[in-house]
Amino acid sequence: AQSVTQLDSQVPVFEEAPVELRCNYSSSVSVYLFWYVQYPNQGLQLLLKYLSGSTLVKGINGFEAEFNKSQTSFHLRKPSVHISDTAEYFCAVNVLTGGGNKLTFGTGTQLKVEL
Amino acid sequence: EAGVAQSPRYKIIEKRQSVAFWCNPISGHATLYWYQQILGQGPKLLIQFQNNGVVDDSQLPKDRFSAERLKGVDSTLKIQPAKLEDSAVYLCASSPVRGVRTDTQYFGPGTRLTVL
Repeated sequence: AQSVTQLDSQVPVFEEAPVELRCNYSSSVSVYLFWYVQYPNQGLQLLLKYLSGSTLVKGINGFEAEFNKSQTSFHLRKPSVHISDTAEYFCAVNVLTGGGNKLTFGTGTQLKVEL
Repeated sequence: EAGVAQSPRYKIIEKRQSVAFWCNPISGHATLYWYQQILGQGPKLLIQFQNNGVVDDSQLPKDRFSAERLKGVDSTLKIQPAKLEDSAVYLCASSPVRGVRTDTQYFGPGTRLTVL
């Protein structure tokens, strides 16, 4: 079964520092990977997605992620974070179900940006 | 373009009571999802609709949960009777095409349910 693992539950970082949020996936077939962000008391917002093609994917708010098939990873990066980036970040893989498809999410990484 | 709307935003009930959540997807979106997000976990799919038909409800606890999507637009999710472990955020999402894996799912703000 396809799944994702987020290795860090919390990542503290100072403002303007770079950050990497780690995500590893397990799959024996083609994967479609997503990163979502959830701000407090809000729903999930798509940051970026990998479907095929270039392994470096650029998203909103200056985030990017690199699909690495040999490492089965899809880590999220930002070169310089801002206080407003404080949120929960979820990695997800779209998997086929009996009649449709669904997003299977990791457990999330809480990014806390400090002054 | 208006996003996915959900109501209520917050609900507190006693165990064994019933509760209903409402979702209005983005206009024209064929596929609608309900996810349950327990504190400290990622969202988990409960049910998926394509237009007004159910395509996957394998993770829905059918002895207490029910959902419908009227006329292929709005949807309601009901819990009756509620248990303590149902305390969670219930997220509704929609996507434009019929169940395509590459589709982006757009999420509403969620309903936070607390069962006492």
